[in-house]
Amino acid sequence: KAGVTQTPRYLIKTRGQQVTLSCSPISGHRSVSWYQQTPGQGLQFLFEYFSETQRNKGNFPGRFSGRQFSNSRSEMNVSTLELGDSALYLCASSFQGSDTQYFGPGTRLTVL
Amino acid sequence: GIQVEQSPPDLILQEGANSTLRCNFSDSVNNLQWFHQNPWGQLINLFYIPSGTKQNGRLSATTVATERYSLLYISSSQTTDSGVYFCAPRANAGKSTFGDGTTLTVKP
Repeated sequence: KAGVTQTPRYLIKTRGQQVTLSCSPISGHRSVSWYQQTPGQGLQFLFEYFSETQRNKGNFPGRFSGRQFSNSRSEMNVSTLELGDSALYLCASSFQGSDTQYFGPGTRLTVL
Repeated sequence: GIQVEQSPPDLILQEGANSTLRCNFSDSVNNLQWFHQNPWGQLINLFYIPSGTKQNGRLSATTVATERYSLLYISSSQTTDSGVYFCAPRANAGKSTFGDGTTLTVKP
């Protein structure tokens, strides 16, 4: 089976812009979780989608949003980008959310 | 939310040495994973281990859920074992909480 894929792998944006990141889970997996990794805050949970519904949400402002499609692919959107949004964004998929999570390679976002 | 504490924060070993990494967590969890993050940022799943002991080659892990800790053992370390090791307990489906990690450096 193909692993979790994320696109794009690298992205450079300027403050105030918005960005959309994509994650394709392992075939058959219905749970997709998103995480942000920064040097200062470490790895933090953003949200989790299961069967097109947001099931869990972390402590991030409303500028961070996501969705999941019927084929389980997920997108996350960040609006009005700030310098502090520069980070590695990782998505993980699992069959149900309570089993083994497999991570994608990440999208490295730089906000100038 | 769950608090996760990993120790030691940094570990330097000579090739061939053994090591034990520890993860303490503050609340009851339903499952726990150990990951190795490579220099390119990819998180590699090492173990899914909500309780008990598992072994995979030179690596093994033990989770004692009732006492809220997990251990990762690395034997006969190699330079390719270098990187950051994270434990990630999970109380809610899909929501892992990560510790700050242990940075392992294995010298030849």
